[in-house]
Amino acid sequence: EDKVVQSPLSLVVHEGDTVTLNCSYEVTNFRSLLWYKQEKKAPTFLFMLTSSGIEKKSGRLSSILDKKELFSILNITATQTGDSAVYLCAVDLLWGKFQFGAGTQVVVTP
Amino acid sequence: GAVVSQHPSRVICKSGTSVKIECRSLDFQATTMFWYRQFPKQSLMLMATSNEGSKATYEQGVEKDKFLINHASLTLSTLTVTSAHPEDSSFYICSARDGKETQYFGPGTRLLVL
Repeated sequence: EDKVVQSPLSLVVHEGDTVTLNCSYEVTNFRSLLWYKQEKKAPTFLFMLTSSGIEKKSGRLSSILDKKELFSILNITATQTGDSAVYLCAVDLLWGKFQFGAGTQVVVTP
Repeated sequence: GAVVSQHPSRVICKSGTSVKIECRSLDFQATTMFWYRQFPKQSLMLMATSNEGSKATYEQGVEKDKFLINHASLTLSTLTVTSAHPEDSSFYICSARDGKETQYFGPGTRLLVL
């Protein structure tokens, strides 16, 4: 059975803190790993990772994949209240079929 | 980034009626679209994969006769919830895959069945 596990399930931080979100996976077919941010509506795309060790960055967000140890991390530096959301990790299994993790709820307090 | 729209954004219906949800890729062609369901405080669960011009592929436990999917063109897929019941109340989200194999999600449709 394909599994994607995210940790922690939730966390609360103060503005300016750095957060690290974890995503581990155990799947039969792996094409890529994706991170999404979900606020009140549908998820918005953050990153797609296919190769190990190559960090992807977008502003204060960055992510990296380790295909040997089967995990990825998403870092958010200098957090802002607008970063409060559920962050979803998904593995593209094959032909675009995604297995989602349960998500990590991040709350950034002023 | 690519834009995917869904209509309606919210629908309330009586038990026993059917509801149709449209998913459109606005600025790209999507040979494959996906339909997800999300219950409160849970993650997205894939319901089915919709391929243009062919029958949809349903995930285990999803009734194909209850959730009818039609992918009539490269930019439109529809999900019809037939004979809806209160337990079908959920957030339904579609996604469409572009040529770079990135999936973009629609804004979702919140269905409430009374």
